[in-house]
Amino acid sequence: NAGVTQTPKFQVLKTGQSMTLQCAQDMNHNSMYWYRQDPGMGLRLIYYSASEGTTDKGEVPNGYNVSRLNKREFSLRLESAAPSQTSVYFCASSERSLGTVNQPQHFGDGTRLSIL
Amino acid sequence: QKEVEQNSGPLSVPEGAIASLNCTYSDRVSQSFFWYRQYSGKSPELIMSIYSNGDKEDGRFTAQLNKASQYVSLLIRDSQPSDSATYLCAVAGGGSEKLVFGKGMKLTVNP
Repeated sequence: NAGVTQTPKFQVLKTGQSMTLQCAQDMNHNSMYWYRQDPGMGLRLIYYSASEGTTDKGEVPNGYNVSRLNKREFSLRLESAAPSQTSVYFCASSERSLGTVNQPQHFGDGTRLSIL
Repeated sequence: QKEVEQNSGPLSVPEGAIASLNCTYSDRVSQSFFWYRQYSGKSPELIMSIYSNGDKEDGRFTAQLNKASQYVSLLIRDSQPSDSATYLCAVAGGGSEKLVFGKGMKLTVNP
């Protein structure tokens, strides 16, 4: 029972390079999320997908794109990496809200990304 | 802009003491409240969910919610060195699937 799996765990890029961060969950959750975490800034939402086939911007979407490939997988792409995108990236998933009650999110182990 | 505020800390308590962590939120329609624990270099881990006013207890952890005053707190009784971590408050509601996180409070429990 893996939960939320993120790959890779570490990556170093040069400015201008592109890459895709992969996320897969095996909990049959409808909703998936991408966050970045920087010192002193907490967790900030980049994009989320409330269900297969839909994606929406979060707080800090600039410089990123996402794809909800199917119910299990949600990828995050950096088209032209910049040093400001050096961060720890977390993927999370949750069951769909029940009325006004949100379900908790479950996090992957994170990807530590450095851009030189 | 929905906001969740936590005292930045750090908070230091002796082993066996009660640690009290507080969180306030700005959006009155919020309905769902969560506490996550994050060890250094690790991912956030859910420790408590609370949806109704009052107290919810789980082992040494008690979450307290007061929607009228827009605050949620976490009490850790008989604190242990293994409780040393950053604690994140998260709030959701108003029909959104999104959580809004506070910046976290670092707790150190001294042996």
